[in-house]
Amino acid sequence: TQLLEQSPQFLSIQEGENLTVYCNSSSVFSSLQWYRQEPGEGPVLLVTVVTGGEVKKLKRLTFQFGDARKDSSLHITAAQTGDTGLYLCAGEDTNDYKLSFGAGTTVTVRA
Amino acid sequence: NAGVMQNPRHLVRRRGQEARLRCSPMKGHSHVYWYRQLPEEGLKFMVYLQKENIIDESGMPKERFSAEFPKEGPSILRIQQVVRGDSAAYFCASSLGIQRTGELFFGEGSRLTVL
Repeated sequence: TQLLEQSPQFLSIQEGENLTVYCNSSSVFSSLQWYRQEPGEGPVLLVTVVTGGEVKKLKRLTFQFGDARKDSSLHITAAQTGDTGLYLCAGEDTNDYKLSFGAGTTVTVRA
Repeated sequence: NAGVMQNPRHLVRRRGQEARLRCSPMKGHSHVYWYRQLPEEGLKFMVYLQKENIIDESGMPKERFSAEFPKEGPSILRIQQVVRGDSAAYFCASSLGIQRTGELFFGEGSRLTVL
C-alpha cells in the first residue's frame, strides 16, 4: 500500500478566504483523485488528475498534479460555508486497482 | 436514484454478535469494493469482488471477516464475533469495470458500533 500524507489535518478559515490543502507521497501514481466527504455521507469524487503538471479547475477549486506525479494540491478561492467537509486524496497505481487514500483534511469554513 | 445503496446505515452490535452489511452497486456495475474508515483516518481497502468471485481480499482480516457478491442480490460484508475494534464506517464502492481514473462511486456507508 502506498502512503499518502495530507496536510494540514485540520483547517478553519473565514468565508471569503482562500485555502490550500496538500497531498504528498514518495510513490508515483498513474492518477490521483480528490474526494469530498460530508459527515454521515460517502466520499464524492471531485476530480481526477492524470498527467504530471496537470492543472484542473472546477469553479472555485483548482487541482494540481505534481510534475513527478507524487503530489497534488487543492486550492479553493473565496471559500464558502458549503465548502466545509473532509477532503481526501487517493492515488491509483498503474498496475493496481486499489485506491490508496490519505487521512484527509477537515476544512471548516466559518460564516 | 441509481446510486450505490448500502444498508443498514447504522448498526449496533454487542461483542460476539454478527454484523452483515449489504451493498447494491450502481445499475450495470459488476465490480464492488469494500473500504473501512476509522475516525480521522482515510479509507482502507478491504476487498474487491466481481460477481461470484473474490478478486482481492488482501485488505481484509483473515479471521471473522468474509465477503461475497452473488450472481443475484447485493454484495455482503460479514463480520463474525464482532469486537469493539470493528467499530467503523464501512463503505462500498462500485465501478463498471476495473476501477480506473474516477470510475469509482461510493455509497453512503454503514456505520457499525460494537458495544
